[in-house]
Amino acid sequence: NAGVMQNPRHLVRRRGQEARLRCSPMKGHSHVYWYRQLPEEGLKFMVYLQKENIIDESGMPKERFSAEFPKEGPSILRIQQVVRGDSAAYFCASSPSGELFFGEGSRLTVL
Amino acid sequence: SQQGEEDPQALSIQEGENATMNCSYKTSINNLQWYRQNSGRGLVHLILIRSNEREKHSGRLRVTLDTSKKSSSLLITASRAADTASYFCATGDDMRFGAGTRLTVKP
Repeated sequence: NAGVMQNPRHLVRRRGQEARLRCSPMKGHSHVYWYRQLPEEGLKFMVYLQKENIIDESGMPKERFSAEFPKEGPSILRIQQVVRGDSAAYFCASSPSGELFFGEGSRLTVL
Repeated sequence: SQQGEEDPQALSIQEGENATMNCSYKTSINNLQWYRQNSGRGLVHLILIRSNEREKHSGRLRVTLDTSKKSSSLLITASRAADTASYFCATGDDMRFGAGTRLTVKP
C-alpha cells in the first residue's frame, strides 16, 4: 500500500501564473486535509475534504485558492494568480478516520 | 477551533536525557494526537490518546492527558540524536496544529 503521494515535489511559478498541486491519498482513505507551512513555522490548516465534498475550508483564503477531491483521481489544490507570499510547502494528509498519514509535501516557489 | 498549542517552542537536551513537551487545547475532545516532523518532511503519527485515557505508552514515548486542565504531555525517555525533530499535537476533532516544539538532542 503506497503512502500518500504528492506531486510535483517542487514547483516554480512566476507571479500571476497558476499552481496545481496534486495529492493521491492512501488506498481506502476517503478523507483529505491540506496544510501550508512556512519555514520554521507550524502547519496551517487550509481545507478538509471527503470524496466530492468540501467539509471545512475555513483555513483557505477566499480568493485565488480552491480545492477539490473528485470521485476519481487525486485531490487538487489550485492557486490562481500566485504571488510571492504563496511560496511555502504544501502538505496533504489522508485518513481513513482518525490518524493522519502525510505526504512529503510540494514546495512552491513564486518568483 | 480546537488548535493544539505546544510548549516550549524549543528544547535542547543532551543525549540520554528525557524530553517533555506540552500541549494545550480549548474545548472537549474525542482524542488527541502527537506527530513528529523531521526537517521539512511530512509529519509522522506517533501516538493517539483517547479522551477516556489518562496515560499511554509506546516504546520510549509516554503521553498523558488531563481533560480537566485541557492539556497533554509527551515524554521521550533516554533521548537520542535521532529524536531531533519538531513535535506537534492536534485534537482529533479538527486536526489543527500549533507551532510545535523544536527538540534538539545533542550527542
